[in-house]
Amino acid sequence: DAEITQSPRHKITETGRQVTLACHQTWNHNNMFWYRQDLGHGLRLIHYSYGVQDTNKGEVSDGYSVSRSNTEDLPLTLESAASSQTSVYFCASSEQDSDTQYFGPGTRLTVL
Amino acid sequence: GQSLEQPSEVTAVEGAIVQINCTYQTSGFYGLSWYQQHDGGAPTFLSYNALDGLEETGRFSSFLSRSDSYGYLLLQELQMKDSASYFCAAYSGSARQLTFGSGTQLTVLP
Repeated sequence: DAEITQSPRHKITETGRQVTLACHQTWNHNNMFWYRQDLGHGLRLIHYSYGVQDTNKGEVSDGYSVSRSNTEDLPLTLESAASSQTSVYFCASSEQDSDTQYFGPGTRLTVL
Repeated sequence: GQSLEQPSEVTAVEGAIVQINCTYQTSGFYGLSWYQQHDGGAPTFLSYNALDGLEETGRFSSFLSRSDSYGYLLLQELQMKDSASYFCAAYSGSARQLTFGSGTQLTVLP
């Protein structure tokens, strides 16, 4: 069955380190998204991509970057992790022009 | 900017009906979605309204009034497994992004 996976599921890192969170989908969806979820804020969009080589900033993009070298993967990089980036990160994908997004299981990141 | 307002908590008993309201302020609005999230889990899609009116999917229905910038999710015949967080999300903007509300924690009591 097609799916969307994230790795690692849990990560503890130190302030200042570079961290990359992986997202892989097998639906062949054009659109991929990264969100962070914090208590009281719902899901906030970090970056998104509408196809290979396309990346765009979302609402809370500072300190994060993404790259899209193929259809299946959209890795999220924290260039220099900060304690404020402690959060649960969700990746999602959708078909082109679709309103329905399919979410991965999430990555819980703790920055000490 | 984009903003959505929904109640933070709702409590109801098994078998009852509950309505979760959502008001939104967005530019370039296309439609309103609802997602369910159980503790520690991934959000899952429930419904989408692009047009005014009521959409029914089993025990769940969703309503949209574009003129009032308002929608709601109606859950009927509540079951314990319906205890979860419910998010409304506006599909809007030139980039057709989803902007989420802060979520409503629904607790279903026996």
